[in-house]
Amino acid sequence: DIQMTQSPSSLSASVGDRVTITCRASQRIFKFLNWYQQKPGKAPKVLIYAASSLQSGVPSRFSGSASGTDFTLTISSLQPEDFATYFCQQSYSTPRTFGLGTRVEMK
Amino acid sequence: QVQLVQSGAEVKKPGASVKVSCKTSGYTFTDYYMDWVRQAPGQGLEWMGRIDPDGGGTNYAHNFQGRVTVTRDTSISTAYMELSSLRSDDTAIYYCVTERDTNGYFYFDQWGQGTLVTVSS
Repeated sequence: DIQMTQSPSSLSASVGDRVTITCRASQRIFKFLNWYQQKPGKAPKVLIYAASSLQSGVPSRFSGSASGTDFTLTISSLQPEDFATYFCQQSYSTPRTFGLGTRVEMK
Repeated sequence: QVQLVQSGAEVKKPGASVKVSCKTSGYTFTDYYMDWVRQAPGQGLEWMGRIDPDGGGTNYAHNFQGRVTVTRDTSISTAYMELSSLRSDDTAIYYCVTERDTNGYFYFDQWGQGTLVTVSS
């Protein structure tokens, strides 16, 4: 199984901050990496698919990038509605696997 | 619009089985894989398995092999997930989710509202 190592597990930030979350795959997964946002009591929502493609309707302050087995989700200017938990997920092979999540909290 | 409506919360005793349904509408049921993902209280996301609604083929996570069965009824655009030999650590919210393919890249697109399964003696 492909292991996804996500960091940090949590971070504190202020509105307007630039936030970066990383995910490392245990083997090469090319661009088969997705990012999700989850708010309390809600199902996750896809933000980025194929490492860097923005899902329709998602604000452009969200972006994704890839370098080898390392992937990054960046929020360019954190907004109040962005305080949530973020997960990465690989879709290169089954079983599909997720990172453990990053909780973005208000500083 | 696309909707995935899951069956209601369940309380089960250890050793029992649970079957969760996921009724879909607003799209062609056989167009996308249907996956099942669970989330224990305060924990992360865990993929359980999926079905190709078109041909019925399935894939399962090793952790659940032999305990989970995903099926579908194309006549009513509904998918099912059955988990047997329940343990207390199976207490979780169970989600159905469509796995969409855009240019060969798969991602989880539309989610059900989740079904809370509580396993307690």
